[in-house]
Order: sequence, then structure tokens, then C-alpha cells
Amino acid sequence: EPEVTQTPSHQVTQMGQEVILRCVPISNHLYFYWYRQILGQKVEFLVSFYNNEISEKSEIFDDQFSVERPDGSNFTLKIRSTKLEDSAMYFCASSEAGLALRELFFGEGSRLTVL
Amino acid sequence: AQSVSQHNHHVILSEAASLELGCNYSYGGTVNLFWYVQYPGQHLQLLLKYFSGDPLVKGIKGFEAEFIKSKFSFNLRKPSVQWSDTAEYFCAVTPRTGANNLFFGTGTRLTVIP
Repeated sequence: EPEVTQTPSHQVTQMGQEVILRCVPISNHLYFYWYRQILGQKVEFLVSFYNNEISEKSEIFDDQFSVERPDGSNFTLKIRSTKLEDSAMYFCASSEAGLALRELFFGEGSRLTVL
Repeated sequence: AQSVSQHNHHVILSEAASLELGCNYSYGGTVNLFWYVQYPGQHLQLLLKYFSGDPLVKGIKGFEAEFIKSKFSFNLRKPSVQWSDTAEYFCAVTPRTGANNLFFGTGTRLTVIP
């Protein structure tokens, strides 16, 4: 069964460092998303991406965050200068079509720990 | 603004007990509704979804949910839980038009005691 894959599974970084989280969405999917889950809290939407551009972003997704689809398979989330409060599990997701028509498929997550 | 409420934060049941997890949403328009499950150490997996049609939706592993439009609710049920159902359960909503992202509830942790 096709699946969304994420790397790394766990990254520990120092505050102020740049972090790149990588995702390989399901190959025929067109919509890509990043969500995060701070320990003990709900899953929060960060950004959606379609047709090589951001289609929607939340208040959390400030100038420290960026997304990119550098080639035909990867979808990356970059945090320019990490803060302690960026520590969370980051989930990548993809869907075949918009959410009005299809559900999301999630990856296993990348746990980011900022020290 | 859209919001999703899951009133039960932690539910503890014995095996074979019946389960009902509440989910209410706040949104004035038409929505698509989902229940996702997150087993310990694993990713979010779709349990079931409602887009339209029969408001009683059957999902995987014996779960079902009922959409009651008048109550803005989408409660998850299972007649007889198993130890392997121990997980975190998330209700999620997306507007049928407009926003293209999921709004999640805070989740309900289910612990099933053998």
C-alpha cells in the first residue's frame, strides 16, 4: 500500500539552528500538507501546498517556516531559526485531491526536539 | 472560526465494553468529517469518513460513527472494544468549500484494560 514517508524520524537541534524535515508524499497525490503536534496537544495545521505554491497557511506558519518541493518527489519543511517552542512532532500528509473530495494520508512523523 | 470539540480526554474501558467518543464541531456550512486513530508510536490513520449520504458510517476494525447534522455531532462508536484499540482518537473536520485543511479536535486517549 502506498504510504507517505518522512525523514528523519527524530532530530535534536540547538535553539537557533536551521532544520529541514523531509517528506515523500504518495506519488500520484497533488496536495501536500504539514501539521504539527506539540506533546499533549492537538494536531495543528501548518500549511498546504498545491501546484508548486502555498495554498493555505495558519498563523503558526510565520516567516521562520518555509516549504519547498525541490523535485518531483520530495516535500520539505524548513525552520530557519528554531525556538524551544518548535519542539513537536511534525506530520506530513498528502491527498489525491482537495479535502472536499478526498482524505489525507499521513506519514509517521518527524519528532523535533529543540534544546 | 471552525472548531472541533472532543469532550472526553481519557477514557478507560475493560475489554468487551462498548465505546462512544463524542465529537462536536462548530461550522455553519457543509463539512466533511473524519475520525483518525494514532496507535502508540505510529502515525495517524484514517478510521472512517463522512462526506455525504447515509449518516451512519462504518469504518475499519468495527468502528462506526453517526453524523447528526442538527447536533453538529459525529460520535464514534464500537460495540465491543479490544485491548488493541488502545490509542488516541482524533475527530477532524474540513469545510466542504473554502479551507483545504483539517481542523482537529484535542483527541481522546482510550485505554482498554485486558
